[in-house]
Amino acid sequence: DTEVTQTPKHLVMGMTNKKSLKCEQHMGHRAMYWYKQKAKKPPELMFVYSYEKLSINESVPSRFSPECPNSSLLNLHLHALQPEDSALYLCASSQSWGMGTEAFFGQGTRLTVV
Amino acid sequence: TQLLEQSPQFLSIQEGENLTVYCNSSSVFSSLQWYRQEPGEGPVLLVTVVTGGEVKKLKRLTFQFGDARKDSSLHITAAQPGDTGLYLCAGEGREYGNKLVFGAGTILRVKS
Repeated sequence: DTEVTQTPKHLVMGMTNKKSLKCEQHMGHRAMYWYKQKAKKPPELMFVYSYEKLSINESVPSRFSPECPNSSLLNLHLHALQPEDSALYLCASSQSWGMGTEAFFGQGTRLTVV
Repeated sequence: TQLLEQSPQFLSIQEGENLTVYCNSSSVFSSLQWYRQEPGEGPVLLVTVVTGGEVKKLKRLTFQFGDARKDSSLHITAAQPGDTGLYLCAGEGREYGNKLVFGAGTILRVKS
């Protein structure tokens, strides 16, 4: 099983809304990631969790708040987003952080901010 | 400046043709991964190469890692419409804090 499951698949939210994106993996991976991807561009790293601790925050605005409740789950809480935050949000996991481990991606959440 | 230069950016070919996508860097990577992504979906891992000079084959796809582990190529033989998608190379190495560094991607369209 190399599956990373993301919910919801699509999300439309207003600029004053609060919503959460969810990600789950059952591969026993200890590193999980959030990426943001604009159309026809490569994914951009946002956050890295290693052993349930935040290891990297790529200077992401505070309106994006990650959470790792346990080793299988990763959330991204959204609040007061802007229309330019509309993008495909991808979750990924790997066996560990760094050193050539393969990253497996979820299907993504297509977020539209209106 | 793109850390991983991927070329070509766009490729539109007829079914049955061969093609090669290149991924180049001035830095050494401990591993390099190739992904294929369809619109609205997440990237799907095709292969990981870790040894300089390594060649891996996946049906009609051949992946090569340069001897110096600074470059890689993806060759597709007899392309089919189902090969259409965004191809991404991604490298990992100490120089980049062990983060996965992505190339800009190659949009491939195979016409029937």
